[in-house]
Amino acid sequence: IQMTQSPSSLSASVGDRVTITCRASQIISKDLNWYQQKPGKAPNLLIYAAAKLQSGVPLRFSGSGSGTEFTLIISSLEPGDSATYYCQQNNITHQTFGPGTKVEIK
Amino acid sequence: EVQLVESGGGLVQPGGSLRLSCAASGFSFRNYWMTWVRQAPGKGLEWVANIKEDGSEKYFVDSVKGRFAISRDNVKKSLYLQMDSLRVEDTAVYYCARVFDFWSGDHYYYYMDVWGKGTTVTVSS
Repeated sequence: IQMTQSPSSLSASVGDRVTITCRASQIISKDLNWYQQKPGKAPNLLIYAAAKLQSGVPLRFSGSGSGTEFTLIISSLEPGDSATYYCQQNNITHQTFGPGTKVEIK
Repeated sequence: EVQLVESGGGLVQPGGSLRLSCAASGFSFRNYWMTWVRQAPGKGLEWVANIKEDGSEKYFVDSVKGRFAISRDNVKKSLYLQMDSLRVEDTAVYYCARVFDFWSGDHYYYYMDVWGKGTTVTVSS
């Protein structure tokens, strides 16, 4: 299963609403997770099962979608959200990450 | 505190071998799938291998099949990745992660909820 993300990068201002799209090459139900990675750090889980917020993750992050198209939304961008965001399909026998979306703060 | 700590990385020549370790603490290691994920310099994340709680099931990305082996010791609370016939393209930071699963009523969902800080593997002559 191949994963694509769009855009590959974006620049937005503090307070902006940011939308990142992830598409799977075949139907994956809701087997989709989102991770945030900051430079030099390990990834951090944000969203699992397409729409469930991981404990401790701010409410400004949300996920939606099913089948082949998924969305991560940051409702109001904060300076600390500058990072690369990865989607991941979670078939336990063969997991795949998307190529990532780099989010920068203007 | 729930923690994963990788070790064993280093510089190795092409064709060489390396064994990575991941020490778990703060949770019941035997109850979780575990996974290795790598990241080449300046590149994205790549899943490498998974192992079931009891070691009975193992899965690998195609690019490492036949060269890498994943194993675990539930008594020592440790995960391992034996890497043989290493190639330049295996150069990466290698992360171990815990795989959490939950049953929704009709489907298992899996996600990587705890990550180590990573260990660096450099394959170069």
